[in-house]
Amino acid sequence: DTGVSQNPRHKITKRGQNVTFRCDPISEHNRLYWYRQTLGQGPEFLTYFQNEAQLEKSRLLSDRFSAERPKGSFSTLEIQRTEQGDSAMYLCASSWGQTDTEAFFGQGTRLTVV
Amino acid sequence: AQRVTQPEKLLSVFKGAPVELKCNYSYSGSPELFWYVQYSRQRLQLLLRHISRESIKGFTADLNKGETSFHLKKPFAQEEDSAMYYCALLTGGGNKLTFGTGTQLKVEL
Repeated sequence: DTGVSQNPRHKITKRGQNVTFRCDPISEHNRLYWYRQTLGQGPEFLTYFQNEAQLEKSRLLSDRFSAERPKGSFSTLEIQRTEQGDSAMYLCASSWGQTDTEAFFGQGTRLTVV
Repeated sequence: AQRVTQPEKLLSVFKGAPVELKCNYSYSGSPELFWYVQYSRQRLQLLLRHISRESIKGFTADLNKGETSFHLKKPFAQEEDSAMYYCALLTGGGNKLTFGTGTQLKVEL
């Protein structure tokens, strides 16, 4: 499968612990996006990168969240001091070009905070 | 602020019946709208976008700026159409998608 790859697929963690997710975009896609999806809701935008630059962050992204994309390839999303409200599916997507191009989604990482 | 509304959480139709999944949007700019679909145990994928004005898998959607709608239609539902459908609006200067809450389409035999 040469699509967007996310790891791990599932993560269960205790409240207060830190977690990190990884996203490998489609090769040569310069744009990478993170979305969060909770039960019964559509995906909500968190942040996006163009190459290695993080160009926009949603207000949903509290200071416990940090995302990086070193060298403009894979990206990591870290959540510090997890809370039960962080339980969600975290989706990564990538696209090529400027704007209005198709975003290809990964299968997501499901986080459960207990 | 931008918003996408999908009023139906679940739509159940019989095979061969027409399908219409409703989507309304609120946006002050020029709208760019998409339909994404998620089949069972698969990733979210693009179904169609309004600027291409094409039919994919028999589905069409017309942007109606007067009614601020982008309803998804198919004349004859097939069993393989059963999936979760999300309407999405491109915002933020073309940098992010605002999704609706989705409609689960169930096609019954």
